[in-house]
Amino acid sequence: QQQVKQSPQSLIVQKGGISIINCAYENTAFDYFPWYQQFPGKGPALLIAIRPDVSEKKEGRFTISFNKSAKQFSLHIMDSQPGDSATYFCATRSTSGTYKYIFGTGTRLKVLA
Amino acid sequence: DAGVTQSPTHLIKTRGQQVTLRCSPKSGHDTVSWYQQALGQGPQFIFQYYEEEERQRGNFPDRFSGHQFPNYSSELNVNALLLGDSALYLCASSLGPGTGGTEAFFGQGTRLTVV
Repeated sequence: QQQVKQSPQSLIVQKGGISIINCAYENTAFDYFPWYQQFPGKGPALLIAIRPDVSEKKEGRFTISFNKSAKQFSLHIMDSQPGDSATYFCATRSTSGTYKYIFGTGTRLKVLA
Repeated sequence: DAGVTQSPTHLIKTRGQQVTLRCSPKSGHDTVSWYQQALGQGPQFIFQYYEEEERQRGNFPDRFSGHQFPNYSSELNVNALLLGDSALYLCASSLGPGTGGTEAFFGQGTRLTVV
């Protein structure tokens, strides 16, 4: 069973601080590594994503760092805001057949005002 | 441009009953995947439909079945409901495997409660 291990399970950050969430995967047959943001009662929304030929991608306050050799990638949220309080999921997308997604277990982020 | 729409948003069923959930993909998308998200967990892949056929299946029993219609919309059916089937059921749409895969857009989900 392919797995994506995500840590930490929960995170509390002061407003303006940096939030860092890490993920590690086991299989190399993945071609796309997205991060999803989910608010209570809502479906996951794509936040930012990276492909394995790039080591870093930045969009606004959100940055993905990708380490292919270590099979790890992380999400950095700069200048964290209370509105960023949500659950974040990393995911990997399989290259075979249907391109299904395998999700991490999620990180509940709370940003204190 | 309508995104992925799911219906109903909430549903309460009794153990042993059957349920049907519906999904309309994002305009232009032809592939629908279904995921189950238990409370406090990440979404788990159930199956994917493309060209009206089930293309791949996750570790879910045969009680879970689906269908895709010519207009690309899809249904998820669950028979003989168990208490453990209580979860948020998510539909994700994308372009098909023939395109090399594209990012998946998720609906808001259907919250199923089995009592």
